[in-house]
Amino acid sequence: NAGVTQTPKFRVLKTGQSMTLLCAQDMNHEYMYWYRQDPGMGLRLIHYSVGEGTTAKGEVPDGYNVSRLKKQNFLLGLESAAPSQTSVYFCASNRQPQHFGDGTRLSIL
Amino acid sequence: ILNVEQSPQSLHVQEGDSTNFTCSFPSSNFYALHWYRWETAKSPEALFVMTLNGDEKKKGRISATLNTKEGYSYLYIKGSQPEDSATYLCAFLNAGNMLTFGGGTRLMVKP
Repeated sequence: NAGVTQTPKFRVLKTGQSMTLLCAQDMNHEYMYWYRQDPGMGLRLIHYSVGEGTTAKGEVPDGYNVSRLKKQNFLLGLESAAPSQTSVYFCASNRQPQHFGDGTRLSIL
Repeated sequence: ILNVEQSPQSLHVQEGDSTNFTCSFPSSNFYALHWYRWETAKSPEALFVMTLNGDEKKKGRISATLNTKEGYSYLYIKGSQPEDSATYLCAFLNAGNMLTFGGGTRLMVKP
C-alpha cells in the first residue's frame, strides 16, 4: 500500500519547456488536490478534482492544467514553464483528512 | 481568497515546556478545521479534523480546541520533546471542497 506517490521527485526545466507531474494514489479516494509550497506562503491550492473526469480551479490555477482520466491518477501539466513556477509541488488525496505525497521539487531556469 | 492566519510564525521552547499556538479562520461558511504536522523533508500528516463548535481532540501530548463562532482553534503541546519539532499547519474547509491553509507555526524544541 504505497499511499500517494508523486513522480518525479526533482526536475530542472528551462523557461518555455513543458512537463507533466504525476500523482498516483492507491486508496480509492475520490478527491485529489495539487498544491504549491513557496517560502513564506504556505500551501496554495492549484487545482483539484472531486472524481474521475472532473477538475476545478483552486486559488492559483494560472499557467497549469490538470487531468483526471483515471480515478487513481491526477496529472499536473505546465505547458510553458516560467521561473515563477519554481516551487515544491504537493499532491494530496481524500477530502478529510488529506493524505500527501512526498513532493516534487521543480526548478525553472 | 479566504484568510487563515496562524500565530506565532515560529516558536522556540525548551524540552519539557508546554506550548500552544493559534489558528484563526472565517467564522462563516464553516465545514471543518484540520491540523497537520509537517516535519522537515517529509510530507504533512494529519493530526486532527474538527467539525463541531466546542470540539476538543487529543492525541498523546497534543490536543486541540475549536471555536467556530469566533473563528479560532488552539493547538496545545504538553511537555514538548525534541521530536515535536515541526511546522504545524491548520487548514479551513468551507462548504465547498477547497482547503485553505494557514502559513504554519514552526516549532523548535531544544533538548
